[in-house]
Amino acid sequence: QVQLQESGPGLVKPSETLSLTCTVSGGSVSSDSYYWSWIRQPPGKGLEWLAHIFYIGNASYTTYNPSLKSRVTISVDTSKNQFSLKVNSVTAADTAVYYCARRHIAVPGYPLDYWGQGTLVTVSS
Amino acid sequence: DIQMTQSPSSLSASIGGRVTITCRASQAITESLNWYQQKAGKAPKLLIYAASSLQGGVPSRFSGSGSGTDFTLTINSLQPEDSATYYCQQSYISPYTFGQGTKLEI
Repeated sequence: QVQLQESGPGLVKPSETLSLTCTVSGGSVSSDSYYWSWIRQPPGKGLEWLAHIFYIGNASYTTYNPSLKSRVTISVDTSKNQFSLKVNSVTAADTAVYYCARRHIAVPGYPLDYWGQGTLVTVSS
Repeated sequence: DIQMTQSPSSLSASIGGRVTITCRASQAITESLNWYQQKAGKAPKLLIYAASSLQGGVPSRFSGSGSGTDFTLTINSLQPEDSATYYCQQSYISPYTFGQGTKLEI
C-alpha cells in the first residue's frame, strides 16, 4: 500500500524559507509512472497545486505554478525515497496545510491518487 | 491559467437522495478532469478520474460525466458519510487548478 508522509517545521518566520519533505513508502520516486506533487490549502480555503517532479534515468523534470514565481523549489532524493519542497521569502499568505501527493500518469486524467495526511505550516514571528 | 468554477458552493440533501455538482472550465480541457472528496481535517481523496472513471474502492453511487468545458459529479443514494467538500481539478495544463469546492451536508 502506497503511503506518503510530510515532515518539517510547523512554524516558520516571515522572510525565511519553508522546507518540507515527503517520504514515500510502498512505491518508488524513481518510477516512470508518477509525478510527485505538492499542493497546499490555506485555513478554510481551497486547494492550490504548487509543483511536481518527475525522476527518470538519473534526471529530474520539474513544473511549477507561476503564481509562486521563483520562490518554490522541488527536488527528489532517490536514496531516501523522498521528495522535498522549499518556499523562499515566506509571508503570512503562505500559511497553509501542505500536502504531498502522487500524480499517476499511467492512467487517463493523470489524477492525484495518493495523498499524505498534510502538515500545517504557520508563518509567524 | 484555466479557471474552474463549481456550483453550487454549498448544498444540503437528505439520506437516500441524489445530488449533482457541476464544474465548468474557462477553456476546453477534453476529459482531463478529476473529482476529489475532502472530509473535515483530512486529505482529499480521489473519487473520479478522467471525467467519468471511478477510482478503485469508491462506491458506485458516485459517477462523473462531461467533456470539453462542462462536467458533473452525481451522488446517488446519499449516505451520512458523503458529507464533505468536493473539488474538481483540471489536469489538462499547468497550473493544475482546482474548483473552489462544493460543501455537501447530509
